[in-house]
Amino acid sequence: GAGVSQSPSNKVTEKGKDVELRCDPISGHTALYWYRQSLGQGLEFLIYFQGNSAPDKSGLPSDRFSAERTGGSVSTLTIQRTQQEDSAVYLCASPLREESYNEQFFGPGTRLTVL
Amino acid sequence: GQNIDQPTEMTATEGAIVQINCTYQTSGFNGLFWYQQHAGEAPTFLSYNVLDGLEEKGRFSSFLSRSKGYSYLLLKELQMKDSASYLCAVDQRTGANNLFFGTGTRLTVIP
Repeated sequence: GAGVSQSPSNKVTEKGKDVELRCDPISGHTALYWYRQSLGQGLEFLIYFQGNSAPDKSGLPSDRFSAERTGGSVSTLTIQRTQQEDSAVYLCASPLREESYNEQFFGPGTRLTVL
Repeated sequence: GQNIDQPTEMTATEGAIVQINCTYQTSGFNGLFWYQQHAGEAPTFLSYNVLDGLEEKGRFSSFLSRSKGYSYLLLKELQMKDSASYLCAVDQRTGANNLFFGTGTRLTVIP
């Protein structure tokens, strides 16, 4: 697609349940980033994909978080056994131009609420 | 340690000029970004500075001093729609090309 899309836009879940968040980046772009933004906080880097591989997973807060990307396109971020502190907006970004990652174009985000 | 400092909130009058400052200490530096984020929306790219000096783009300008670890975003002829959070972010080039974001400055433009 022309832009970055994410689904669902909102997700409410109960503590302890697993959730899957989806990102569909700019078509044909190999780089993809996941960020998290908690209420009143700046964006926190989670993970970065180059193609289907993730060279840097250092931002993932715990082993309950994992992400994968298949076919060099869609990525899913999975949170297992969700906790209330996982409540945040999860943003996916793709460089606007493949040759220059400088301008990261963000998707609309998924607002996750863990009750 | 790593840190990006921005004022938490600012208020300015429609038609005026406002300067939002950002100071940073990061493990690496390959450039500094400014993003605008309206409430409930995703951030949108405003500017990118990698060399010292001023980059002007319409009503918005961004300045960088690498030696001082300092940047500012200058907004001229303020409009009500400029009310938003402005995020300063450093590209640390740690291998992931990921951005280290400050917590943002919430700007309120009043009539």
